[in-house]
Amino acid sequence: GESVGLHLPTLSVQEGDNSIINCAYSNSASDYFIWYKQESGKGPQFIIDIRSNMDKRQGQRVTVLLNKTVKHLSLQIAATQPGDSAVYFCAESANYGQNFVFGPGTRLSVLP
Amino acid sequence: DADVTQTPRNRITKTGKRIMLECSQTKGHDRMYWYRQDPGLGLRLIYYSFDVKDINKGEISDGYSVSRQAQAKFSLSLESAIPNQTALYFCATSARDRGSYEQYFGPGTRLTVT
Repeated sequence: GESVGLHLPTLSVQEGDNSIINCAYSNSASDYFIWYKQESGKGPQFIIDIRSNMDKRQGQRVTVLLNKTVKHLSLQIAATQPGDSAVYFCAESANYGQNFVFGPGTRLSVLP
Repeated sequence: DADVTQTPRNRITKTGKRIMLECSQTKGHDRMYWYRQDPGLGLRLIYYSFDVKDINKGEISDGYSVSRQAQAKFSLSLESAIPNQTALYFCATSARDRGSYEQYFGPGTRLTVT
């Protein structure tokens, strides 16, 4: 498959544990955020989004937390599984989804 | 069939050559995007288009041009390729759906300029 993010920060977690992936965003005017998952050899896939008028949103096994005071976004994955191994990107938009700025990504490695 | 397709999937070309990357979508979305991905840098926006008559420069448009031939087709051209344009290129589409602006990405084109 394709090599993506050879020099990314890496988070290693045991299978079954919870994972927390962090993202510091740059623009205090950003009003919309998305987390993407990218598996080797594939394009990014949507996980969950959150608007700036919210501080928490939950999906299936995932939770996104937004702290606008410190411009910080996190993605929590419950009961991490081997299939969660991938690179995770946060993306911010200051024009409500017209275009996005992506973070550099974090590689999640799930240990058996 | 994939909703967003890109051709070619892999391409090796020489410095100075003109090359076109093509993107087609069957999602019926108005918005289309071109990104490049380099190790450790995430995805950076090259160009985007909100409809056939609308083209906008992104963060790194220098050295690239685009054409929106139809709602479903958005091509990216490198008029004179240079080695630092070696990267993974992604096309994406989006539309407002229940308040979400999720972008749907193609499988990517790996371009190598020698």
